[in-house]
Amino acid sequence: GAGVSQSPSNKVTEKGKDVELRCDPISGHTALYWYRQSLGQGLEFLIYFQGNSAPDKSGLPSDRFSAERTGGSVSTLTIQRTQQEDSAVYLCASSFRGVGQPQHFGDGTRLSIL
Amino acid sequence: QKEVEQNSGPLSVPEGAIASLNCTYSDRGSQSFFWYRQYSGKSPELIMFIYSNGDKEDGRFTAQLNKASQYVSLLIRDSQPSDSATYLCAVNRAGANNLFFGTGTRLTVIP
Repeated sequence: GAGVSQSPSNKVTEKGKDVELRCDPISGHTALYWYRQSLGQGLEFLIYFQGNSAPDKSGLPSDRFSAERTGGSVSTLTIQRTQQEDSAVYLCASSFRGVGQPQHFGDGTRLSIL
Repeated sequence: QKEVEQNSGPLSVPEGAIASLNCTYSDRGSQSFFWYRQYSGKSPELIMFIYSNGDKEDGRFTAQLNKASQYVSLLIRDSQPSDSATYLCAVNRAGANNLFFGTGTRLTVIP
């Protein structure tokens, strides 16, 4: 069966440019999460979507980061005016229903800011 | 105090031995506990989850939870070189929507 799909797998861009990262969750999973993992660091929570509820944006590090989820399925994470410290692997996960359920991760997008 | 703490390792065990990975968490109200395996350059892969005190076995893997001690562990029996990876402990703290991850323990299984 199809797992969580993320695109692109790699993205290299110049400082100051905007980037969009895409996540397609496992079919039937209502909860979707974005995390990021910097080199040698643990996973850092960014944002959580559950069904039609308002997203939990408490992990977004600055107002340059935003995310949306259309139709309860595909999500895009947008980073505006990228900075070098944004370089990381951005991981999307989904779970059947929400909090407390096992989360399954996609392969991630490796973002490099020059 | 970190939400989730793990010994970073590296932990080295010979092939066929039992590998024991440990994790402590700070919030007593935490209810869901997960172990992920992460190969170098890859994303985390869920291998076990446990909700209740005691042991949960799945093949060569056993997760153990002790809520009174705020301690969760993962045992890998008959360790194989293919088990060499970083193992991440993750906890769902009461009232939080996300998982809190430890920084991982790097396991090397020596043939």
